[in-house]
Amino acid sequence: GDSVTQMEGPVTLSEEACLTINCTYTATGYPSLFWYVQYPGEGLQLLLKATKADDKGSNKGFEATYRKETTSFHLEKGSVQVSDSAVYFCALSRDNFNKFYFGSGTKLNVKP
Amino acid sequence: DADVTQTPRNRITKTGKRIMLECSQTKGHDRMYWYRQDPGLGLRLIYYSFDVKDINKGEISDGYSVSRQAQAKFSLSLESAIPNQTALYFCATSDFPGLARNTGELFFGEGSRLTVL
Repeated sequence: GDSVTQMEGPVTLSEEACLTINCTYTATGYPSLFWYVQYPGEGLQLLLKATKADDKGSNKGFEATYRKETTSFHLEKGSVQVSDSAVYFCALSRDNFNKFYFGSGTKLNVKP
Repeated sequence: DADVTQTPRNRITKTGKRIMLECSQTKGHDRMYWYRQDPGLGLRLIYYSFDVKDINKGEISDGYSVSRQAQAKFSLSLESAIPNQTALYFCATSDFPGLARNTGELFFGEGSRLTVL
């Protein structure tokens, strides 16, 4: 069945360090891929998305590229800030957004 | 005000009690969902509803029931709560996928933290 696997956390970085959070997926057909972010005490909110192979989603300095050949959608940021501390969820949706599947989440801690 | 509102935000209850978590939305979306979040397990779908007369089980529906009272309201009930239902519960909404404006995005409430003793 469809599933999303992402790297376990927590990930602890110093401010201005580079970030990569790995995400791979298993799905039939051509899913859309998402990264959601959950700040402390809040619900999840969409960070970025890509709907077809080779698309790059970007927002707030974060980027992720839909790689069909490696079934991956890794989240990257060149210089993290303390305010980026949150839990990041990779997700996929198929059947034209009828179903969503989430990874287990990766907690990011950024220290000043 | 939040577009997706959940009540209560926190609840502590005892084993065997009936609990209802409520969700209301002002986004005008047809689709509503209940998810459960557990550490290390991510989000798991409990129930979802694509319109007022449509209710569907998700991957972990046992021990839960739902009611879609109106387009804007979707409640989750635990008929007889047990300790392993201690979790953070999220309500979410999305738009009908056939609409050109639909981005596929889920919109989440702030969560309801339930503790069953």
